[in-house]
Amino acid sequence: DAKTTQPPSMDCAEGRAANLPCNHSTISGNEYVYWYRQIHSQGPQYIIHGLKNNETNEMASLIITEDRKSSTLILPHATLRDTAVYYCIVRVAQGYVNTDKLIFGTGTRLQVFP
Amino acid sequence: DAGVIQSPRHEVTEMGQEVTLRCKPISGHDYLFWYRQTMMRGLELLIYFNNNVPIDDSGMPEDRFSAKMPNASFSTLKIQPSEPRDSAVYFCASSPMAGGGEGYTFGSGTRLTVV
Repeated sequence: DAKTTQPPSMDCAEGRAANLPCNHSTISGNEYVYWYRQIHSQGPQYIIHGLKNNETNEMASLIITEDRKSSTLILPHATLRDTAVYYCIVRVAQGYVNTDKLIFGTGTRLQVFP
Repeated sequence: DAGVIQSPRHEVTEMGQEVTLRCKPISGHDYLFWYRQTMMRGLELLIYFNNNVPIDDSGMPEDRFSAKMPNASFSTLKIQPSEPRDSAVYFCASSPMAGGGEGYTFGSGTRLTVV
């Protein structure tokens, strides 16, 4: 089962920042948080990941709370092409070894409007 | 880099027939994953390989499903016999060696319809 909780849907005006929340209250100390998105009928696309520190790349920023129980994906200037389902995923750990299993939940459907 | 290549893009078959889905991962990626996506169940991990060896097949729904990876550049997912409830989009993904990195690269998927 997915270890994350996300709102089912969100709206955002074009040009504004989109802030997508995710709860992962049972995350373990050695588990990463990953974000993917899926644009209609395409395969999921990697966005960003992090462990403890905040991360930023050309697509987005990831803010992880100090207790690591929640995180927020930020798209700084949303465009219509950012309309997609966004998945927050905790990378499964087995004991002390991270596996490469990513278990997808139901995600947040982000609608960017003009 | 052509990315992860899946074939066919669409497959329509009759119940009871054998279906074979194909995947070519990105060269140099040691991990390959098969996912299935339906409206009801979302994205489900079926099986994954590391260096051509199946590591975890706990997501394979039943014995009708089988997956192979005969070499580093090719994998198949076979359903025999197929049933209407197998209708879904099947995605293949690959990733480099374990230890973080930029996650998986997914293919465009195969849309399977069993009638």
